[in-house]
Formats: sequence, C-alpha cells, structure tokens
Amino acid sequence: NAGVTQTPKFQVLKTGQSMTLQCAQDMNHEYMSWYRQDPGMGLRLIHYSVGAGITDQGEVPNGYNVSRSTTEDFPLRLLSAAPSQTSVYFCASSYSAGEETQYFGPGTRLLVL
Amino acid sequence: QKEVEQDPGPLSVPEGAIVSLNCTYSNSAFQYFMWYRQYSRKGPELLMYTYSSGNKEDGRFTAQVDKSSKYISLFIRDSQPSDSATYLCAISPSGGTYKYIFGTGTRLKVLA
Repeated sequence: NAGVTQTPKFQVLKTGQSMTLQCAQDMNHEYMSWYRQDPGMGLRLIHYSVGAGITDQGEVPNGYNVSRSTTEDFPLRLLSAAPSQTSVYFCASSYSAGEETQYFGPGTRLLVL
Repeated sequence: QKEVEQDPGPLSVPEGAIVSLNCTYSNSAFQYFMWYRQYSRKGPELLMYTYSSGNKEDGRFTAQVDKSSKYISLFIRDSQPSDSATYLCAISPSGGTYKYIFGTGTRLKVLA
C-alpha cells in the first residue's frame, strides 16, 4: 500500500496561474479531504468528499475547486493563484466520514509569487 | 477568541523527561478530541483520540480530557529524541472527520 500520495511535492506559481494538486489513495477509502496549513493558523479544511461524485465545502473553499470522479483520486484545482494561497496543502483520507482515523499525505508546498 | 488555543512552543526538554502538551477550547459542545504528531515536512499522523473525560493511555502516551475546564492534555513519559515533532490537538462537536477543528500545534524538541 502506498497510502495517500500527493504530487507535486513543491510548486512555484505566478499570480493568476492555475494548477492542479493531485491526491490519490489506494486504501479504498470513501472519505477524502484537502487541508491547508499556515503558520499560526493550524490545519484548515478546504473541501471534502464522502464518496465518488459527492463533494462539499469546508472552512476555506474560496479560490479552490474539487471533483471526485473515482474513489482513488481527489484533485484540488487552483483557478487563479493568489499570494494568499501560498501554503502547505495536505490531502487526507479515511474509511468513511464517520471514521476518526484519517491518513494524511506528505503534503505539497506551494509558493505563489 | 479562537475555538482551540495551543501554545506554539518550541518546548525543549531533556531526554527521559515527562512532557505535557495542552490545548484549551471555548465551546462546551465539543465532545471528541484527538492528538496528532507531525514530523518536519511530513503529514500529520493520528496518535490518540477520545470522546470522554478522563485519561486514555497508549504506551508512553496519555491523553487527558477535562471537559469542565475545557482543557485537554497529552503526556509523554520517558521522552525520546524521536518524539521531537509538532503535536496538534483537534476537537469536534460530534463524530465525523470533517468536523474537527485543529489547534496550531506545539513544537517539541527532546534533547539527547
């Protein structure tokens, strides 16, 4: 099992550029989520999905899009990058939304200039 | 006032010391509590979770919840240099992964 994988590990963008952060899990987990982690702010939930075809907004969804066409993949799209989106992004998954144990990926460090 | 408050540290202790890490929260509706460990440049990993007041033990780790004071603690006995990491608390009003609110984390350094 690879667990939760994220690509790329690090990315530099210019303001206004778009990009997709990839997340995949091979544990057949129904629930997947995206967080951002900023100094002094803790982990904040961006979007989550309780199964293929179902997504919902978290605490800080503005500027981000998600879709879930398969159980395994949950990409996060930045539509028009802004410096405020400079952060470390973590994808996580768990067996179900009611499951307390969720597994985090290694993170993607994003710098928006 | 933040819903979850956590001292960012860093907290430096000698090897073998007992470490106490703490979080306070503001809403008495919170019923579920977790502790995560995050090594540098890695994703968080779940250490312990509990949904009741009192203590829960797992090896060298003890999670303590005091709902009357809205205060949760993680104790690490016989701390090791490998325990050097950032520890995040997370709380929720009910079960369900997406409802958890995370603290900012406390950075711990255990000196050999």
